[in-house]
Parts: sequence; C-alpha cells; structure tokens
Amino acid sequence: QQQVKQSPQSLIVQKGGISIINCAYENTAFDYFPWYQQFPGKGPALLIAIRPDVSEKKEGRFTISFNKSAKQFSLHIMDSQPGDSATYFCAARDSSYKLIFGSGTRLLVRP
Amino acid sequence: NAGVTQTPKFQVLKTGQSMTLQCAQDMNHEYMSWYRQDPGMGLRLIHYSVGAGITDQGEVPNGYNVSRSTTEDFPLRLLSAAPSQTSVYFCASSYGGSEKLFFGSGTQLSVL
Repeated sequence: QQQVKQSPQSLIVQKGGISIINCAYENTAFDYFPWYQQFPGKGPALLIAIRPDVSEKKEGRFTISFNKSAKQFSLHIMDSQPGDSATYFCAARDSSYKLIFGSGTRLLVRP
Repeated sequence: NAGVTQTPKFQVLKTGQSMTLQCAQDMNHEYMSWYRQDPGMGLRLIHYSVGAGITDQGEVPNGYNVSRSTTEDFPLRLLSAAPSQTSVYFCASSYGGSEKLFFGSGTQLSVL
C-alpha cells in the first residue's frame, strides 16, 4: 500500500512561476516530513524538512506548508528557475525510523 | 571525504544469479538503508540498519538479504535474481533517526 501519496506525477511551470507539489498521508505516527530533490543520474538530496508541530517552514524560495488535521503537506517553489528542473520526492518517517517516500514529481521549468 | 560510495554503478545479471551490491560510508553514520527506485513507484525501502549488528526489513524485503558487521559497510545481497528486481538501487546513510539521508550515486541493475 502507498503510505505517502504524492501529486502531480509531472509538472510544467514557466520561469518565475510558482511550483506546487502535494502529499498526503494516513499514519498519524509519522513525525518528520522531508522533501528530497533528485537530478538525473544522481541520488536524491535533502531539500527542506518539517516536523508536525509547525505549520510552515521557509528556506529561500522553498516553503513547506503542513496541515496536520488534513494529514497533508506541500512544497511550494517560488520564482521557479530552469535549474529547479528535477524530480521531487516527499517523505515521512515512522516511529521505527523508516523513511517512506512518495512516488515523485518530475518538474520542468521552461525558460 | 567520499560520503556514500556504491559499487558497481551498472550490472547485468541473468535470472537466478546472485550478487552483492556494495555500500560504504565514511561519515560514521549509525543509520544506513537501501532503496530501490522504479518509474512511478518512487523510492521503496528494502532494508535498513540503525547500527552495527542491527538490521530490519523495509517495505519490499523479499529476495534481498543484508548484514551490518561494521558501521561503515552495508552490503545488499540478491539471492537469486529475478527480472522484477531490475531497478536502480540507492544506499543512504544518516547520523541517526533517518534525518538528512545522504544518498550514494546508485547502482543500475538489469536482470535478463
């Protein structure tokens, strides 16, 4: 079963626009919610993360919004740039330290 | 500082063959894990370890074995390769609690 559901599968945004990727989960025991960025041919790398006691976290152009009651969280990329073109994965950690990933979103930012 | 090193980068196997994917980290991380990445499926956890001598199963452990005899190494063994195991395999490590995973560059495995 897919414990972390991610959408959309792919996303095309114009340079300067806002990219939004959404994730939903069911397990209320999840205690840590990171986002990873992966470029072709590379391993994923941590981009930004949030804990469930915080509703929003911002790092530069990247913001996580977290809705605990709805069991949803999202990544917003402001002023999207062609260099942001990559695959993005949301994830959630359970009580035994397993990190469960979503299915990924392939983002293309057009110049 | 090499980080997480995976070998080999590419491998082709025949059905039924066995092999070991190597993973080594030089950051003294306690937590190590193996994921497989398939199109549309994201990254799925195969096995993980919270320290030397301790391993546990992830989401998709069948057909794979692991051991953790040292802090640095966490090899993944395919016992009898099947075409369904064709995938890209990533090893990852972190200081603890799977926060800020550092990933290797991956092993692309094809089973014919």
